[in-house]
Amino acid sequence: DVKVTQSSRYLVKRTGEKVFLECVQDMDHENMFWYRQDPGLGLRLIYFSYDVKMKEKGDIPEGYSVSREKKERFSLILESASTNQTSMYLCASSATWPATEAFFGQGTRLTVV
Amino acid sequence: DAKTTQPNSMESNEEEPVHLPCNHSTISGTDYIHWYRQLPSQGPEYVIHGLTSNVNNRMASLAIAEDRKSSTLILHRATLRDAAVYYCILRETGNQFYFGTGTSLTVIP
Repeated sequence: DVKVTQSSRYLVKRTGEKVFLECVQDMDHENMFWYRQDPGLGLRLIYFSYDVKMKEKGDIPEGYSVSREKKERFSLILESASTNQTSMYLCASSATWPATEAFFGQGTRLTVV
Repeated sequence: DAKTTQPNSMESNEEEPVHLPCNHSTISGTDYIHWYRQLPSQGPEYVIHGLTSNVNNRMASLAIAEDRKSSTLILHRATLRDAAVYYCILRETGNQFYFGTGTSLTVIP
């Protein structure tokens, strides 16, 4: 069974902390994605990576960075967490276009207090 | 990024067919049309995709307009488990998936 695993389902952090959200996939996919999901705004793409050490900005990269040192792992980093980064974060992976589907993790609900 | 437009919400009676529309007037010739759905408290899951021809799978059917500027996801017999947010997205050559706000489907028993 294919799988995208996010390290935490729920996370509470303090304002100003450095936060790491980890995502691992076991499908040898080239592409990995980080989205955030907020009520009324749908899923918005933060960053994606199409290869190891390669990354591109999505729609809302401000306040975030990413790391992809190994093909199976894609990390989202909040350098200095702020309350407006409280959200549901979703990781996904897919094979290269025009391949079919993206596979999503269960999500991490991050609360910044 | 290519955009899609969907109604915010729709309702259907259980065991009746559901037609979920999507407009994508700026679609390019190489964009694939994908549909995903998100059940409560879960990540999105793939439903179906197509390029030009209508497509069927065990979950749903996808009807694509001849000019490709719109498409319709068809659930043949809605069940309570089909209550979810349905997203229509375009898979571009750049590999990104851009989601919008989707259509929230309510299934009435």
